[in-house]
Amino acid sequence: AQSVTQLDSQVPVFEEAPVELRCNYSSSVSVYLFWYVQYPNQGLQLLLKYLSGSTLVESINGFEAEFNKSQTSFHLRKPSVHISDTAEYFCAVSEGNTDKLIFGTGTRLQVFP
Amino acid sequence: DAGVIQSPRHEVTEMGQEVTLRCKPISGHNSLFWYRQTMMRGLELLIYFNNNVPIDDSGMPEDRFSAKMPNASFSTLKIQPSEPRDSAVYFCASRRPLNEKLFFGSGTQLSVL
Repeated sequence: AQSVTQLDSQVPVFEEAPVELRCNYSSSVSVYLFWYVQYPNQGLQLLLKYLSGSTLVESINGFEAEFNKSQTSFHLRKPSVHISDTAEYFCAVSEGNTDKLIFGTGTRLQVFP
Repeated sequence: DAGVIQSPRHEVTEMGQEVTLRCKPISGHNSLFWYRQTMMRGLELLIYFNNNVPIDDSGMPEDRFSAKMPNASFSTLKIQPSEPRDSAVYFCASRRPLNEKLFFGSGTQLSVL
């Protein structure tokens, strides 16, 4: 069965600094990988996803994630964060032959001025 | 499109009472998911449906929890009897076929006293 590990529960960072939110997964078959973001008092929204093809995927607001099969990782990065990026970020995985989407425990990104 | 609609937004009840959470998925979406979010365990998948049929309910905590989807536009999650440890935010989400973007509702904040 697939599982997702987000080792960092909280990541504090100053505005304009780079950030990396770590995600590792385990699965015995091919997987699809996702990052979702949750702003306060809202549901989750898709940030970016990897299904196939290029291992580097990007979002419209400057985030990117790279699928690394050998390290079973899908870390999320942004070279320069903004105050408005403060939110909870969830990594998620689904195995190629199912609809089941499993989420990690989330990482709270706190951006300080 | 109104998005995924959940009701109520907030529910406060006493231990032992029956609780019913409701969800209206986005029209045309054929998969529906119920998740529970707590500080301790993050976002847990409780059950999901494809074309109104329950596919995987292995995440349902115990027999006190039940979910139904009588038609493509409505689903319920029922807890009977409720307990304080059921206090959490319950999210409903829907999407079109496999690995498409998952759309979340705003959640139901459940407090069992």
